[in-house]
Amino acid sequence: EIVMTQSPATLSASPGERATLSCRASQSVSSNLAWYQQKPGQAPRLLIYGVSTRATGISARFSGSGSGTEFTLTISSLQSEDFAIYYCQQYNYWPPMWTFGQGTKVEIK
Amino acid sequence: QLQLQESGPGLVKPSETLSLTCTVSGGSISSSTDYWGWIRQPPGKGLELIGGIYYSGSTYYNPSLNSRVTMSVDTSKNQFSLKLSSVTAADTAVYYCARITGTPGHWGQGTLVTVSS
Repeated sequence: EIVMTQSPATLSASPGERATLSCRASQSVSSNLAWYQQKPGQAPRLLIYGVSTRATGISARFSGSGSGTEFTLTISSLQSEDFAIYYCQQYNYWPPMWTFGQGTKVEIK
Repeated sequence: QLQLQESGPGLVKPSETLSLTCTVSGGSISSSTDYWGWIRQPPGKGLELIGGIYYSGSTYYNPSLNSRVTMSVDTSKNQFSLKLSSVTAADTAVYYCARITGTPGHWGQGTLVTVSS
């Protein structure tokens, strides 16, 4: 099983600041890496797939980067609606045994 | 546009079997390229893939749940189903169905299943 590790567990930041979230895979996942945003009581919403491709309707302030085992989600300027939990996910293998990071909570400082 | 919707009881007694169905619309569950799966999220915790199923009935399950999980597919109704046996309070979670091949992000809205007597 590929283990996904996210850091930090909690990120405290102010609106307008830049936020950088990290995700590490226990082995290479190629470019099969996605990021989700989840707010209380809601299903996870896809932000990024294929490491850096924004999903439909996702703001350009969200960007993804990385390769192999190290990945980053950057929020260029935090808006009030961005305070949420973010999960990374690998979908590298066949059959598709997805695994997720434990999440990073972005909270208002 | 592909849409998925979970349905089933919201309350299950300990030691009984949890049963959920996912109805797929806007696409065919018989697609030769797609697997369909179940993901769960206990309250306040992270996400876990339970397993996946192909339209032919081929399945794979998360080893941590393997002995208690059964998935099935009904292509005539464009549905797939989950059964989880011998449930305990630890199985209380929001259960999501999803397409787990291709571009990720096609999930149902989720359904909360509580295990309690």
